[in-house]
Amino acid sequence: GENVEQHPSTLSVQEGDSAVIKCTYSDSASNYFPWYKQELGKGPQLIIDIRSNVGEKKDQRIAVTLNKTAKHFSLHITETQPEDSAVYFCAVLIKAAGNKLTFGGGTRVLVKP
Amino acid sequence: DAGVTQSPTHLIKTRGQQVTLRCSPKSGHDTVSWYQQALGQGPQFIFQYYEEEERQRGNFPDRFSGHQFPNYSSELNVNALLLGDSALYLCASSRHSGWGGYTFGSGTRLTVV
Repeated sequence: GENVEQHPSTLSVQEGDSAVIKCTYSDSASNYFPWYKQELGKGPQLIIDIRSNVGEKKDQRIAVTLNKTAKHFSLHITETQPEDSAVYFCAVLIKAAGNKLTFGGGTRVLVKP
Repeated sequence: DAGVTQSPTHLIKTRGQQVTLRCSPKSGHDTVSWYQQALGQGPQFIFQYYEEEERQRGNFPDRFSGHQFPNYSSELNVNALLLGDSALYLCASSRHSGWGGYTFGSGTRLTVV
């Protein structure tokens, strides 16, 4: 089955700096790549997603890049703020195989003021 | 517009007991998926329901079962509870015809003692 590796497991950055989280996946048929933010006591919230026909997508301070050849994708957060502190999960989905998401292990991000 | 609603929010059960968790999907969504999230880990796919049938199943024993009702709401049942079943159980809804577009609920925290 699909395997998703996420690094780093923890990330501490100074407010205003950038944060980068990387994920690799095993199944080349994967074609949808969302990123979720999970705050304490809440469910995962979609923050950005990308489909396999696109290499990069940006939404204000958040961007995702996809390298299909290398089977990895990354989340970039610029100008980090304390409210960006949370656990971030990458996930992959193979649309032809149904709407089943396979998640990475998560990255705990701490933004220090 | 209400998002995904899960009940109860917290639950404590004894080993060997049975539990039922409930989920109401986001308006306009017809597919419900259930995930188990152990502490410090990413969510793991349990199963998915569409048109009142189980469409996909993850690597979980048949102690885990579910149901989807005509109004798209869903239940997750776990029999013969084990200590290892202690986790956050997340419900996610989506549109079967869509790309990902998952909306997660806040989850039910199950503790087995």
